[in-house]
Amino acid sequence: AQTVTQSQPEMSVQEAETVTLSCTYDTSESNYYLFWYKQPPSRQMILVIRQEAYKQQNATENRFSVNFQKAAKSFSLKISDSQLGDTAMYFCAFPNYEETSGSRLTFGEGTQLTVNP
Amino acid sequence: KAGVTQTPRYLIKTRGQQVTLSCSPISGHRSVSWYQQTPGQGLQFLFEYFSETQRNKGNFPGRFSGRQFSNSRSEMNVSTLELGDSALYLCASSLNWPRWGSPLHFGNGTRLTVT
Repeated sequence: AQTVTQSQPEMSVQEAETVTLSCTYDTSESNYYLFWYKQPPSRQMILVIRQEAYKQQNATENRFSVNFQKAAKSFSLKISDSQLGDTAMYFCAFPNYEETSGSRLTFGEGTQLTVNP
Repeated sequence: KAGVTQTPRYLIKTRGQQVTLSCSPISGHRSVSWYQQTPGQGLQFLFEYFSETQRNKGNFPGRFSGRQFSNSRSEMNVSTLELGDSALYLCASSLNWPRWGSPLHFGNGTRLTVT
């Protein structure tokens, strides 16, 4: 069965500093996609970044970047120059390729990130 | 372009009642998924509809059902409510399926409280 694990339930960082959130997964697929979502207190899940396993280059979206280690099945999210608005729950997500449709996302347990002033 | 809209935002029901939640996807998106979020179980997949057909279903009892209309709007129904159904219900839409890299776009959710 496919699994997604986030081993850090809570993290905190000072404003303007850099923080890395960890995620590991398990799959037998060779090409796949991975996603990071954030959920601020407003409750809406917002897509942060997407990575395709086939691509060697790590994805980057402004201050957000990933450290994708395919062999280790690791998909970390790095947030640079942290801002107060980055305070949120962060979820790593992986499509369920064991199903025909692959329409389901399996989410990790989440990491609550707090950015302190 | 308008995002995913869920109504209502809050609901309070008593045990044994039934409830209907509504979701309007982003224009052009034909896939609509529903997730239940609770502190204990995290995010759990309920079901997914594509072009009015249920394509995938999670491990929930038959009290949980849904449907999708020809305009892609979706409804989710829970009958004979139990205390354990209290949760945040999230709806998401997408152009295609995540297996092809298509991300889910979520609404603000409906907070259901069962007393």
